[in-house]
Parts: sequence; C-alpha cells; structure tokens
Amino acid sequence: QIQLVQSGTEVKKPGASVKVSCKASGYTFSSYGIGWVRQAPGQGLEWMGWISTYNGHRNYAQNFQGRMTMTTETATSTAYMELRSLRPDDTAVYYCARESLFGYYLFADWGQGTLVTVSS
Amino acid sequence: DIQMTQSPSTLSASVGDTVIITCRASQSINSWLAWYQQKPGKAPKLLIQKASTLESGVPSRFSGRGSGTEFTLTISSLQPDDFATYYCQRYNSFSFFGQGTKLEIK
Repeated sequence: QIQLVQSGTEVKKPGASVKVSCKASGYTFSSYGIGWVRQAPGQGLEWMGWISTYNGHRNYAQNFQGRMTMTTETATSTAYMELRSLRPDDTAVYYCARESLFGYYLFADWGQGTLVTVSS
Repeated sequence: DIQMTQSPSTLSASVGDTVIITCRASQSINSWLAWYQQKPGKAPKLLIQKASTLESGVPSRFSGRGSGTEFTLTISSLQPDDFATYYCQRYNSFSFFGQGTKLEIK
C-alpha cells in the first residue's frame, strides 16, 4: 500500500533551518509529484509548494519563495523540504503528500506530519 | 492569487441532520475544487475532487456541487464519524485552501 513516512519532531531556534524528509513506498516514486502543506497549531492548512519527482520542476507558494527548497532523491524514494530563517510563526505540523492522478496539487495520500517547533 | 473563503467557520449539528458548507473563490476556478476532512491529530483525507467527484470509499451521504466561484459540500444524515473539520482547496494554478469549517455536535 502507498505510504509516506516523514521524519520526526524538530525543535529549532529562530534563524535556524530545518529539513524534513518524506520517504515514499508502495508506488513508483518518479511517477507522482510531492506537495508540502503545513498547519500551525489550531489553524488551517497552508499549501507550501510542489515538486515533480520526474524532472525536479518546482512550484513554490509566494509566502515561501526564497526561503524554502524542495528536493527529491529517486534512489531512496525520498522527498525533502528545507525551510530557512525560521521564525516562531513557522511552528507547525508539516505534511508531505502525493499528487493525485487528477491534479498536481490534489492530494489523496499524506504523510503522518512532522511537528516543527521554533522557539528561543 | 485566487483566494478561497469558506463559511461558516463553525457549524453545530446533530446526528441525522443535513449540513451544507460553502466555499467561494475570488475568481473562477472552473471545477478545480476539492474537499477534505480532517480529524484532530490526523492528516487530511480527500473526499471530493473536481467539485463533485466522490473519492473511492467515501460514503454517498457526502456530495459536492458548484463551478466557477461558488461551491458547496453537503453532508446528509450526519453520522458520529462525520464531526470533523472540512477544508475546500482550489488546485488550479498552484493551490490554496479555505480556512476550514469545524463541524461540531450540537
């Protein structure tokens, strides 16, 4: 079955960077792009970006352009999301999700989420 | 950027009720609209895509309608498992989620 398993909880200081991993299994990794969505405590969902696992093409939400980098490693079927210059309001659960057959940014399969806490 | 506005933000209902959640886009998105259900501590679950197409395994009491700028999610005959938070999402030209509707037990 399709699984996306994310790395564990992170605690970072303001100004630091965080890199979250998302290991996929149960399907051909390079056939489906990966999106990233975050959710601050008690808040709604925020789309962050999407990367093609086929050719590496990336689309970033305006809020994260220049501060976020998405990468993939086909050999290990793993996607990565790095967020730099962290601020306390970056505290959130970060999700990776696999694109659907019906849309790049439509997500039927999700990771379990990674809590990133930014605090001094 | 095309914004998505959901209403209401909170909805109180009883088991057996029928509820409607509305999502409006600031510009036409044709039918590129999805609905997700999220329960506390869990990842969202895709319910409906292309405004009205039910995902496999989703109960038929869930239905979606609309196109252009106005969309609705209807849940008929509410079941205890349906009390959750619901999000709309446009998925054309990048993506944007609505702010969510929390469906509570009255």
